[in-house]
Amino acid sequence: GAVVSQHPSRVICKSGTSVKIECRSLDFQATTMFWYRQFPKKSLMLMATSNEGSKATYEQGVEKDKFLINHASLTLSTLTVTSAHPEDSSFYICSASPDIEKLFFGSGTQLSVL
Amino acid sequence: RKEVEQDPGPFNVPEGATVAFNCTYSNSASQSFFWYRQDCRKEPKLLMSVYSSGNEDGRFTAQLNRASQYISLLIRDSKLSDSATYLCVVNGAAGGFKTIFGAGTRLFVKA
Repeated sequence: GAVVSQHPSRVICKSGTSVKIECRSLDFQATTMFWYRQFPKKSLMLMATSNEGSKATYEQGVEKDKFLINHASLTLSTLTVTSAHPEDSSFYICSASPDIEKLFFGSGTQLSVL
Repeated sequence: RKEVEQDPGPFNVPEGATVAFNCTYSNSASQSFFWYRQDCRKEPKLLMSVYSSGNEDGRFTAQLNRASQYISLLIRDSKLSDSATYLCVVNGAAGGFKTIFGAGTRLFVKA
């Protein structure tokens, strides 16, 4: 079946640094990928929709300058958390889908900002 | 009103019990529906798709009622390993290719 690969799985960084998370669709082309954030004991919250070759669409309340999304190819989307602060510590997950019937998730990235 | 609403839980049940989760969605134009299972700090895993005709997979039965915009998941003969958070997921809820998650219902199955 379709697989979505996400790296890294865990990041620990100092406050003020930037962190890049990669999301790859391994056996299908994804013109659209999704980025979610999940705080402990909370549900997945859609942050943005990543569109290949164009600007990402951000959900209300998500700072586009804080969370930079690049979708330069049909198999890769990246999320960069710029100038990370402790409140950005969270579980970040990407997803992609070859069609509307199925949604595949990356394994998630646990970000801890010290 | 949230686009996708679920029973808040948590549900604490003994092994062998039958437990039912409910979910409602607000957009009647939504196109596809799923139940996902998520373990702590892991990515969600597809449990099953949901169809109007009903869908059964072993101990799990999912049902969709489009008229009432209601989705259900029934788990029979609960196992300890069923302990997880169950997410109701609706695709196309915003009129496009967009996936909306319910807040999730936590299930604890105890010996």
